[in-house]
Amino acid sequence: EVQLVESGGGLVQPGGSLRLSCAASGFTFSNYWMSWVRQAPGKGLEWVADIKVDASEIYYADSVKGRFTISRDNAKNSLYLQMNSLRAEDTALYYCATEWDLHLDNWGQGTLVTVSS
Amino acid sequence: EIVLTQSPATLSLSPGERATLSCRASQSLSSYLTWYQQKPGQAPRLLIYGASNRASGIPARFSGSGSGTDFTLTISSLEFEDSAVYYCQQRSNWPIYTFGQGTKLEI
Repeated sequence: EVQLVESGGGLVQPGGSLRLSCAASGFTFSNYWMSWVRQAPGKGLEWVADIKVDASEIYYADSVKGRFTISRDNAKNSLYLQMNSLRAEDTALYYCATEWDLHLDNWGQGTLVTVSS
Repeated sequence: EIVLTQSPATLSLSPGERATLSCRASQSLSSYLTWYQQKPGQAPRLLIYGASNRASGIPARFSGSGSGTDFTLTISSLEFEDSAVYYCQQRSNWPIYTFGQGTKLEI
C-alpha cells in the first residue's frame, strides 16, 4: 500500500523558514516524479513544485519561485520542501503526491503551515 | 497560462440522481484532463485521468468525457458518500499544473 506521510509543519513568523518532509513507503520511490501541492484554509488546490526521479528536472509555481526549494533523497525514500522568506499567504495545508502521466495519483494527508506573527 | 473554469460552483442533488460537472479550459488540452474528489478533512483522491480513464478502485458510476477545451465529470446515480468538492486539473502547458476552482456537490 502506498503511504505518504508529511511532517515539519507548524507556526512560523513572517520571513521565517520551515523544512517539510514527506516519507514514502509501499512503492519504488526512485521511479516516481514527486510534487508538493498546497491548500489554503477553505480554498482550492495550488501546485507548488515538483521534482524528477533523479532531481535532474525541478519546477516551481511562480508564487514560490526563489523562496522554496524542493529536493529528494531516494536512499531515504523522502521528499523535502525548504521554505524560506515565508509570507502570510503561504499559510496552507501542504500535501506531497506521486506523479504519473501528468496527474497526481497518490496523496499524503498533509502538514499544516501557519505563517503569522 | 491555461485557466480552468468549473461549473457550477455548487450543485445540490438527491440520492439516485445524475450529476454533471463541467470543466472548461482557456486553451485546448487534448485529453490531458484529470478529476479529483476531496471530502471534508481528507486529502484529494484521484478519480479520472486522461479525461476518461477511471483510477483504480473508483466506482463505475463515475465517468469522464470531453476533449479540447470542454470536459465533463458524470456521476450516474448519486450516493450520500459522493458529497465532496471535485477539482479538475491540467498540465498541458508544461511544466505548470493548474487546478480549477472546484465544484461542491451536496447530496
